[in-house]
Amino acid sequence: GIQVEQSPPDLILQEGANSTLRCNFSDSVNNLQWFHQNPWGQLINLFYIPSGTKQNGRLSATTVATERYSLLYISSSQTTDSGVYFCAGQPQNTGTASKLTFGTGTRLQVTL
Amino acid sequence: DSGVTQTPKHLITATGQRVTLRCSPRSGDLSVYWYQQSLDQGLQFLIQYYNGEERAKGNILERFSAQQFPDLHSELNLSSLELGDSALYFCASSVRGSGGLYEQYFGPGTRLTVT
Repeated sequence: GIQVEQSPPDLILQEGANSTLRCNFSDSVNNLQWFHQNPWGQLINLFYIPSGTKQNGRLSATTVATERYSLLYISSSQTTDSGVYFCAGQPQNTGTASKLTFGTGTRLQVTL
Repeated sequence: DSGVTQTPKHLITATGQRVTLRCSPRSGDLSVYWYQQSLDQGLQFLIQYYNGEERAKGNILERFSAQQFPDLHSELNLSSLELGDSALYFCASSVRGSGGLYEQYFGPGTRLTVT
């Protein structure tokens, strides 16, 4: 199966700072998604981004499918951004079986 | 709120017991997926059902089984429970994205503790 590597594994930011999280895939993927797992364990969809760039408020994401990586940008971070950020993708050529393979996550802590 | 519901939220049980986790997908979604999140294994895909039929299988133990009913809700059955089965179990359902691909939305999870 594919390998999904996320960096950095841990990140501590002061409120108001910007950050970039990276996700590398060992092979081409479809259905690339970014999630935020909040301190209560909920997985919240951030972006569905097989390719290109999307923005949602202070968050944006870019996927370069040909180079098998994706970036998540967090600007003007807030304490509510704390939690774990996961990227996940579906290996290509699996038809309508949409199993997602997850990275190990980036644990973000935003301090005052 | 993703629209995917899971019950119960928490479950505490003893080794050797059997439990059933329930999931209702988003309205109109035909696919249901089960994932397990444990401290040592991370988030792992277990199994997928599409309109009542098994579509894909991941690292699901033989002691675990699932099914999807005609009303599209799904149940994950875990039997002969071991301490290592303690984990957060997520259900997801899929929404078709652009190009015929599938975006998945996750329920709140069931936290299982085996003592």
